[in-house]
Amino acid sequence: ETGVTQTPRHLVMGMTNKKSLKCEQHLGHNAMYWYKQSAKKPLELMFVYSLEERVENNSVPSRFSPECPNSSHLFLHLHTLQPEDSALYLCASSQVHGGYTDTQYFGPGTRLTVL
Amino acid sequence: GQQLNQSPQSMFIQEGEDVSMNCTSSSIFNTWLWYKQDPGEGPVLLIALYKAGELTSNGRLTAQFGITRKDSFLNISASIPSDVGIYFCAGQDQGAQKLVFGQGTRLTINP
Repeated sequence: ETGVTQTPRHLVMGMTNKKSLKCEQHLGHNAMYWYKQSAKKPLELMFVYSLEERVENNSVPSRFSPECPNSSHLFLHLHTLQPEDSALYLCASSQVHGGYTDTQYFGPGTRLTVL
Repeated sequence: GQQLNQSPQSMFIQEGEDVSMNCTSSSIFNTWLWYKQDPGEGPVLLIALYKAGELTSNGRLTAQFGITRKDSFLNISASIPSDVGIYFCAGQDQGAQKLVFGQGTRLTINP
């Protein structure tokens, strides 16, 4: 596997379900990101992890819970979601050094539908 | 907060035509990036620009970093069917880990 991978690619869940999205980067990067992409809206940054510490939480509701167990893996745990949470969830990674961030590379995304 | 205005929002062109799109910002960026997103996929980096005035090419794609550092444009020459998709600009401050994205330009090509 190369680049940034995400699983599952598609997910349909009810509002009472609990599910997790997984992201894995094979680029040797030390920062990972979760974005939300809704129709007709710009990409919205949700969370940033740098050196396995969360450095950004962009006012995301608590029903989204990120986890970064190591520099290569990032999870997004979902519970009691709402239909308006249906979107494409994108993971990205980059290399951070000396306070400067290199270009972000994106995974293929997980298409989430909340019924 | 920082905002990017990307235009046009959509383009319908004939195969073989040249394409031009641009992004303007209310604030200065130190890096401009152009991504392309195919349906059901994540954005793929096309060109990265790191210096004001920089002009960079990637095959039929050419992008420039505006000298004011508040704008950038992307040109595609002699469009082909596989150019169809959504093109996003993104700006980044030096030292910042956040990208600010434009709304995207949806390119449709008639054969």
